[in-house]
Amino acid sequence: QVTLKESGPGILQPSQTLSLTCTFSGFSLSTYGMGVGWIRQPSGKGLEWLANIWWDDDKYYNPSLKNRLTISKDTSNNQAFLKITNVDTADTATYYCARNYGGYGAYWGQGTLVTVSS
Amino acid sequence: DVVLTQTPSILSATIGQSVSISCRSSQSLLDSDGNTYLYWFLQRPGQSPQRLIYLVSNLGSGVPNRFSGSGSGTDFTLKISGVEAEDLGVYYCMQATHAPPTFGGGTKLELK
Repeated sequence: QVTLKESGPGILQPSQTLSLTCTFSGFSLSTYGMGVGWIRQPSGKGLEWLANIWWDDDKYYNPSLKNRLTISKDTSNNQAFLKITNVDTADTATYYCARNYGGYGAYWGQGTLVTVSS
Repeated sequence: DVVLTQTPSILSATIGQSVSISCRSSQSLLDSDGNTYLYWFLQRPGQSPQRLIYLVSNLGSGVPNRFSGSGSGTDFTLKISGVEAEDLGVYYCMQATHAPPTFGGGTKLELK
C-alpha cells in the first residue's frame, strides 16, 4: 500500500527558511523511474508544481521559484525533502508531496498547511 | 509556461446527469516520444487531489468507468456519464509534456 505524509513547521516568519519532509511507504525512491514531487495550493486557489526528484537524483525546479528551492531525498529512510528560502506571506499554502511513477500524481499525501506570518 | 484553460469554471448538475469539462492548452501537448502527458484530477472538499485520468484517456486505478477522457493536441475533455454525489468537488487538468508541469484553473462541480 502506497502512502505519503507531509510534515512541516506549521507557522514561520517572513524571511525564514521553510523545511518540509515527505515520509512515504509502499515504494522506494531507488526504483528505476521513481520520483517524488512537491505541489502547493494556497487556500481556496489552484495547484502549483514546485519540484521533482527522481531515483537517479535528477532534480527539476519550477523556474518561477528555482532560486529559492532545494529538493533532496533520503532513500534509506524513505523520505524526500523540500526547502524554500526567504519565505513571505505569498508562500502560505498547503504543501503536498506526490509519487511520480509511470506518470504524475497517482498518489498524494494529505498535505501540510504552512502559514507565513509575522 | 503552458497555460491550461478550463471551462466552465462552475458546473451545476443533477445526480445522474452527464457532464463534460473542457481543457484547452496554449501549446500542443503531444510529446516527441509520441505520448500526450495530460492528466485529470478531482479534489473533493477538504481532501488531496485524486488522479482520475492519465495520458489523456487512461483510467486511473480504482476510478469508476463513468469517467472518461478524450482529446488530442490542444483540446481535451473529461466526461462524467451519470454524476454521483461523490463526484462533487473541483476538477483540474494538468500537463507534464512541457516543463514546468502546469494545472488548469479548476472546474467546480456542484449540485443543481
